[in-house]
Amino acid sequence: GAGVSQSPSNKVTEKGKDVELRCDPISGHTALYWYRQSLGQGLEFLIYFQGNSAPDKSGLPSDRFSAERTGGSVSTLTIQRTQQEDSAVYLCASSLSRPEKLNTEAFFGQGTRLTVV
Amino acid sequence: SQQGEEDPQALSIQEGENATMNCSYKTSINNLQWYRQNSGRGLVHLILIRSNEREKHSGRLRVTLDTSKKSSSLLITASRAADTASYFCATDSWGKLQFGAGTQVVVTP
Repeated sequence: GAGVSQSPSNKVTEKGKDVELRCDPISGHTALYWYRQSLGQGLEFLIYFQGNSAPDKSGLPSDRFSAERTGGSVSTLTIQRTQQEDSAVYLCASSLSRPEKLNTEAFFGQGTRLTVV
Repeated sequence: SQQGEEDPQALSIQEGENATMNCSYKTSINNLQWYRQNSGRGLVHLILIRSNEREKHSGRLRVTLDTSKKSSSLLITASRAADTASYFCATDSWGKLQFGAGTQVVVTP
């Protein structure tokens, strides 16, 4: 596609339910990032995929959060047993960056606004 | 955790004035990037400065980088109302991008 696509754009869920957020990166982009942004705050790093390497999961806040990237393309961020503090905008980005080609910009999707009630 | 910290947190200026914001970071980097965000959704890339560069220009934007002080600055000259947005610095360490808390800029006509 022309850009990074995220779905759904908005999600309201009940506390305790599981949710899946989807990210379709730009075709050919090897790097994919997930961030979380609470209202009026900065971007909190969650997870980083780079090609076929093991993902950097150092930003995931708890074991309720997991992410996968199938076939080096689409990624799904799953939050199990959602809590009210999980409410935020979840942003996905992709880039051409790879170890032999650094210094490239990231392209962002429009995010998924998650509200846990 | 956040790698960078922007200063100031908020900035209010009038059209035509210059806006300057700063970013400090903690670890070694390959490059530093600045992004802009409108209305709390997707970010747009503005400019990238590599670790071996000290200054870069793009239109009304001027970015400096001081790796010895682990700091960068973004200058927007002759600001316009349309420049109202949040601005974030992001450090790139071997492909891993980490963002600061951002500076909220309001430009009044």
